[in-house]
Amino acid sequence: GNSVTQMEGPVTLSEEAFLTINCTYTATGYPSLFWYVQYPGEGLQLLLKATKADDKGSNKGFEATYRKETTSFHLEKGSVQVSDSAVYFCALSDWLTGNQFYFGTGTSLTVIP
Amino acid sequence: DAGVTQSPTHLIKTRGQQVTLRCSPKSGHDTVSWYQQALGQGPQFIFQYYEEEERQRGNFPDRFSGHQFPNYSSELNVNALLLGDSALYLCASSFRGAGNQPQHFGDGTRLSIL
Repeated sequence: GNSVTQMEGPVTLSEEAFLTINCTYTATGYPSLFWYVQYPGEGLQLLLKATKADDKGSNKGFEATYRKETTSFHLEKGSVQVSDSAVYFCALSDWLTGNQFYFGTGTSLTVIP
Repeated sequence: DAGVTQSPTHLIKTRGQQVTLRCSPKSGHDTVSWYQQALGQGPQFIFQYYEEEERQRGNFPDRFSGHQFPNYSSELNVNALLLGDSALYLCASSFRGAGNQPQHFGDGTRLSIL
């Protein structure tokens, strides 16, 4: 079946530090992979996506590369800001299973000045 | 261009009651999915509606039901509420014909069961 495993948090970093949040997946078909971000009291916002192997998604300084050989989609940012404090969710969607989304449990990030 | 809108924002019910949550999809979207997000967890898929029919269902009991209207808006109904139904309920919309496209989420309805 389909599933996503995310690095557990919480993660606390100082401003301008390097961020990595690990995500691995299991899928039966050919999934697309996503990172969503959730700010307190809000819904999920799409951060970036990749639809096939070796694709790199990027947005707002965040990047993630779809690695089929390691079934991974790790999120990285070179220099975090206080405004990046949020919960980050890795997710997959498999067209063969009707575009249902499978989410990881989320990783809480706090960036301190 | 309005995104996904959900109502109400918060709701408090007691055990055994019934609740209806509402969702209007993003303009141009025809598919609505509902998710349950328990505190500290990732969203769990409840079901998806397209062309006014339930197309897919996650591992949720029949107490959870839904409806989609001709204007693509949707309702989630939960009967015989349990304490464990307390969660943030998220609605997401997409355009079915676009393949593996991102879903756009509303801000959710926070349901508390006393």
